[in-house]
Amino acid sequence: DTGVSQDPRHKITKRGQNVTFRCDPISEHNRLYWYRQTLGQGPEFLTYFQNEAQLEKSRLLSDRFSAERPKGSFSTLEIQRTEQGDSAMYLCASSLTTDSPLHFGNGTRLTVT
Amino acid sequence: AQKITQTQPGMFVQEKEAVTLDCTYDTSDQSYGLFWYKQPSSGEMIFLIYQGSYDEQNATEGRYSLNFQKARKSANLVISASQLGDSAMYFCAMRSILTGGGNKLTFGTGTQLKVEL
Repeated sequence: DTGVSQDPRHKITKRGQNVTFRCDPISEHNRLYWYRQTLGQGPEFLTYFQNEAQLEKSRLLSDRFSAERPKGSFSTLEIQRTEQGDSAMYLCASSLTTDSPLHFGNGTRLTVT
Repeated sequence: AQKITQTQPGMFVQEKEAVTLDCTYDTSDQSYGLFWYKQPSSGEMIFLIYQGSYDEQNATEGRYSLNFQKARKSANLVISASQLGDSAMYFCAMRSILTGGGNKLTFGTGTQLKVEL
């Protein structure tokens, strides 16, 4: 069990640029989640995949956000035309079954200047 | 809609003492699950303990126990014999089941625990 891996750990970008984050879940986990955490708050759900299918999206996920999990393994989260309000920690998590806990990665901290 | 309330923004505890972190919840679901996660300054969310709404026994995992009072809608985390490494942010969360069996967690705002010598 190598844990959930996220890359990069930190990203600084200028407003208006596009950014992409990667998440590698625990290998046998078919459920993958993206959450966003702003300063002083708990994580908020963004989206959920089972294998390669994106089954749920939060209304927090605006049109500028897109997530993919093309082969049911790693996932990417892209933010287009970044805004300062996008500055946050983006957390990826995976789980094996409905009853098993979510295992989170270390997150990608995005700063939009 | 589900809601988690953590009313203690910060807590201090002496090393080797026990500490209780409060969590109350609100849900209309008959079946639900409650989680506690620890988030050190490194940012990773570490799973600590889980309590199902139909579990008759309070959950325990090593030095962590969950004081589950269903009628009061509370799920407090008790950490016994605190260690310096327990200093972190602690989040209570409730799950709802998503399409296809996924778990959506609704988190509280967290409690920052500081363990002192």
